[in-house]
Amino acid sequence: EDKVVQSPLSLVVHEGDTVTLNCSYEVTNFRSLLWYKQEKKAPTFLFMLTSSGIEKKSGRLSSILDKKELFSILNITATQTGDSAIYLCAVGSGSEKLVFGKGTKLTVNP
Amino acid sequence: SAVISQKPSRDICQRGTSLTIQCQVDSQVTMMFWYRQQPGQSLTLIATANQGSEATYESGFVIDKFPISRPNLTFSTLTVSNMSPEDSSIYLCSVASPETQYFGPGTRLLVL
Repeated sequence: EDKVVQSPLSLVVHEGDTVTLNCSYEVTNFRSLLWYKQEKKAPTFLFMLTSSGIEKKSGRLSSILDKKELFSILNITATQTGDSAIYLCAVGSGSEKLVFGKGTKLTVNP
Repeated sequence: SAVISQKPSRDICQRGTSLTIQCQVDSQVTMMFWYRQQPGQSLTLIATANQGSEATYESGFVIDKFPISRPNLTFSTLTVSNMSPEDSSIYLCSVASPETQYFGPGTRLLVL
């Protein structure tokens, strides 16, 4: 059975801190790994990773994939209160469907 | 990117009734997906809806409980039938693109 495990499940930091969120997976026929930010209802796409070792970056957020060790990390530098959200990791295997992890709830305090 | 709308955005329903959720996409897509997110949980795929064929349901979900329609390439509906409080969730539709999978704004359902 395909599995995606995220850690930590929750994290509380102060503004300006740097955080690293982890995602490990076990899937057959890996296709891609995606990171989403969920603030209210709809997850908002952040990154899609398909190749090992290539960092994707968007502003203060960056992510990298290790297909040998079957994990990915999402880094957020200089955190702001607006970064408070649930961060979801999902893996696509085979068909287009995604398997999601339970998410990491990040709280950034002023 | 695809723009997806869902109706209703939220609803409160009585147990034993049914609710149909609509999902509209601004472009033609082959596959649409329906997810459920129960309180405090992550997203779980209910089914994949292809135009012109029956939906493919994931383990634990059945057509009698969650009938799906896909009349054309831009629209789909999910019905939550004979609802119970355990069906209280956020229901999300999504579509796949080469770059990612986009999600609709979601329908928050509370069953009393």
